[in-house]
Amino acid sequence: TQLLEQSPQFLSIQEGENLTVYCNSSSVFSSLQWYRQEPGEGPVLLVTVVTGGEVKKLKRLTFQFGDARKDSSLHITAAQPGDTGLYLCAGELYRANGDYKLSFGAGTTVTVRA
Amino acid sequence: EAQVTQNPRYLITVTGKKLTVTCSQNMNHEYMSWYRQDPGLGLRQIYYSMNVEVTDKGDVPEGYKVSRKEKRNFPLILESPSPNQTSLYFCASSPEGVGRSSYNEQFFGPGTRLTVL
Repeated sequence: TQLLEQSPQFLSIQEGENLTVYCNSSSVFSSLQWYRQEPGEGPVLLVTVVTGGEVKKLKRLTFQFGDARKDSSLHITAAQPGDTGLYLCAGELYRANGDYKLSFGAGTTVTVRA
Repeated sequence: EAQVTQNPRYLITVTGKKLTVTCSQNMNHEYMSWYRQDPGLGLRQIYYSMNVEVTDKGDVPEGYKVSRKEKRNFPLILESPSPNQTSLYFCASSPEGVGRSSYNEQFFGPGTRLTVL
């Protein structure tokens, strides 16, 4: 089972509409990251949120970290075809050996139709 | 151009035939990592390296080996590939580790799609 559950798994919307992607867990994370991955490429980091309740905005994208640092959401306003891609969330966890690791969700495939 | 390169990009092989996927970064990053991506499972870490000659197991290390003899290179070795290792593999690097801050942004390579028959 995934430590981080993303929903929905697939999302198809018309250009100009808004969308929200959710990332939920029962675990507490030190920080949480959102990535976008396009076909044939590796994931690219969009944002890192660290503080519970934190809200970060990146142009039309708004990222929120839950107060308890167990969940996060990504909201896109007035989506454009260029927003099409696989959105991945990743939570930072502490390893027993003192290192940190990222636990990834399975991703949400977003398609924005022109 | 700052980048992570992987070779080959596509590989079809047969069970038991040893193979190596190369990974190289030109950003002088200390941290490098290998992930596999499977549908419905997301990215899972195979091995990581905090620095030269320092490697550690990730979440799914069985059937894989790595080495870090020099800072820029981090090859992934499959000594005896099996069909359950068919997957999309990503190499990544970052300045010092993962998470914590944007300073530790991981840069991913373009991926290697491996099929083991």
